[in-house]
Amino acid sequence: DAGVIQSPRHEVTEMGQEVTLRCKPISGHDYLFWYRQTMMRGLELLIYFNNNVPIDDSGMPEDRFSAKMPNASFSTLKIQPSEPRDSAVYFCASSLYPVNYGYTFGSGTRLTVV
Amino acid sequence: AQTVTQSQPEMSVQEAETVTLSCTYDTSESDYYLFWYKQPPSRQMILVIRQEAYKQQNATENRFSVNFQKAAKSFSLKISDSQLGDAAMYFCAYRSAMSQGGSEKLVFGKGTKLTVNP
Repeated sequence: DAGVIQSPRHEVTEMGQEVTLRCKPISGHDYLFWYRQTMMRGLELLIYFNNNVPIDDSGMPEDRFSAKMPNASFSTLKIQPSEPRDSAVYFCASSLYPVNYGYTFGSGTRLTVV
Repeated sequence: AQTVTQSQPEMSVQEAETVTLSCTYDTSESDYYLFWYKQPPSRQMILVIRQEAYKQQNATENRFSVNFQKAAKSFSLKISDSQLGDAAMYFCAYRSAMSQGGSEKLVFGKGTKLTVNP
């Protein structure tokens, strides 16, 4: 098992550009989560999916952020247009149901918007 | 909404000694799960230990153990025989046991940075 795979590991982009972060969950996991980590706000849940369906997107900061899960093995988080305040580490995590045993996290994508 | 508080931004310990990291949480629920995650400099979030609120027995995983005080809403992590590889950020997290929409998320504390001195 390769674990949760995120790409890219690092992304540097200019303000106003579109950014797409990618995630491949562990095969067979029912849940997929996107978190953002910053020094000021810590780890914040952005959105999560159950069986490819978005369940809670209340943490998505604004309309510039969108997430999709077209199938059980792939999810994307897109920011368009990007802003410097979006700079953070973005984590993807997946889990079996029930989520009592915690998540398995990917290695994260460090996004820098200049 | 549930909140998780880690009151120690930084802690340090001598190699082979024992250290305890504090965590308190606020909830009106009676059934929930608590977790400790470790984040080393590699950035990978690693599950260290979990506790089910309905179990009175404190969870233990090798050198890691918890002191779960449900009435006090406290969930501290004790690391025994500290090793250099234990140096990391440690995050406490809460998850509701209620099977309702929006309750599958983990709520994290802000973390404690642990330094292990040789």
